[in-house]
Amino acid sequence: DTGVSQNPRHKITKRGQNVTFRCDPISEHNRLYWYRQTLGQGPEFLTYFQNEAQLEKSRLLSDRFSAERPKGSFSTLEIQRTEQGDSAMYLCASSPGPTSGRGYEQFFGPGTRLTVL
Amino acid sequence: GENVEQHPSTLSVQEGDSAVIKCTYSDSASNYFPWYKQELGKGPQLIIDIRSNVGEKKDQRIAVTLNKTAKHFSLHITETQPEDSAVYFCAATRGGSYIPTFGRGTSLIVHP
Repeated sequence: DTGVSQNPRHKITKRGQNVTFRCDPISEHNRLYWYRQTLGQGPEFLTYFQNEAQLEKSRLLSDRFSAERPKGSFSTLEIQRTEQGDSAMYLCASSPGPTSGRGYEQFFGPGTRLTVL
Repeated sequence: GENVEQHPSTLSVQEGDSAVIKCTYSDSASNYFPWYKQELGKGPQLIIDIRSNVGEKKDQRIAVTLNKTAKHFSLHITETQPEDSAVYFCAATRGGSYIPTFGRGTSLIVHP
């Protein structure tokens, strides 16, 4: 399967705990995006990387959230001191990048559903 | 920033009927408009997109139209099938940004 993969698919944690999610993009894609989706809403942008560089962060990304893409391949999203309001689906997407002619197209993974008790 | 409104929030049709979902956007600099289909427990899947230099695009049973002057775009699905049942999202992307703003989604239900 050459699509975007995310792990774990589901995570249940207690308030105050730290959690980390992983995203593996499509191999030739150099851009990687993180989104959050709550029930009845469209995905909301959190941050994105071009290769290993984090180019933009949303105001939604509080200081409890951190994302990395150390080798320009997979990415991790960590949430520290989780709160009940962090419960959501966390989606990862990748795209070929601006020089490909298809840089606007994003391909999403299946998401990680986080439940904070 | 960009604001995307999507209507209706729920759409129920009989198999074989057509379905139309409409979106409006606020930023005149937006130039890329994708549509995504999201099935239960899955991530959004890109089904069709349109750029601002084109007024209409068709791919088999689905088509998208864009009216730049009015800043609205629509998804048309003809000959609907039960497997078309899903949540559909429109989005608008500002030129050079590569970050889409999504609508709130339309839950399409196709009754056999």
